[in-house]
Amino acid sequence: GQNIDQPTEMTATEGAIVQINCTYQTSGFNGLFWYQQHAGEAPTFLSYNVLDGLEEKGRFSSFLSRSKGYSYLLLKELQMKDSASYLCAVRPFTGTASKLTFGTGTRLQVTL
Amino acid sequence: GAGVSQTPSNKVTEKGKYVELRCDPISGHTALYWYRQSLGQGPEFLIYFQGTGAADDSGLPNDRFFAVRPEGSVSTLKIQRTERGDSAVYLCASSLDGANTGELFFGEGSRLTVL
Repeated sequence: GQNIDQPTEMTATEGAIVQINCTYQTSGFNGLFWYQQHAGEAPTFLSYNVLDGLEEKGRFSSFLSRSKGYSYLLLKELQMKDSASYLCAVRPFTGTASKLTFGTGTRLQVTL
Repeated sequence: GAGVSQTPSNKVTEKGKYVELRCDPISGHTALYWYRQSLGQGPEFLIYFQGTGAADDSGLPNDRFFAVRPEGSVSTLKIQRTERGDSAVYLCASSLDGANTGELFFGEGSRLTVL
């Protein structure tokens, strides 16, 4: 089975840096995704990690440690528009492509 | 179309009724997924299509739920004898070919309310 844990809520100040952690226990692993979801909207893709290390994309970076079953999403220079839920999702390993299993999401509130 | 399109955006029905939710994926995407999302939760997997066939339907909660994709493009999620617990946002997503590195593109969802 799959078990994905991430904090329920976080608050940070505009202009600051915030790190959202995700730990997972899965029967197999073939990649970890981060999605952003604004209230009432569709989730949108942020990042993908399959190998250990840091992937940087503008203000957003994502880190993966497969041996620890751990990932984090780092958001720099926070803006008010970054207030959203951030979903960690794992793709289990199968012979063919398959579903993503999502965590419950971390609701980030950016304040002035 | 430019993105994944889902209709209706909102559906209110009475307990025991039958509902159909439609998903039109991004043109050329062979993989299609249905998820269900309750308030404050992450999306919960229901079913995955590769082309016309259901490659993985392990997430369908019971036999009241059924989905089809007869021509490998548009998909319909069908719910019989709806129950109040079925109330949620039903999200559809597609990806280019279901490859392991492929990201999922989500639609805006269909919000189902069962009274």
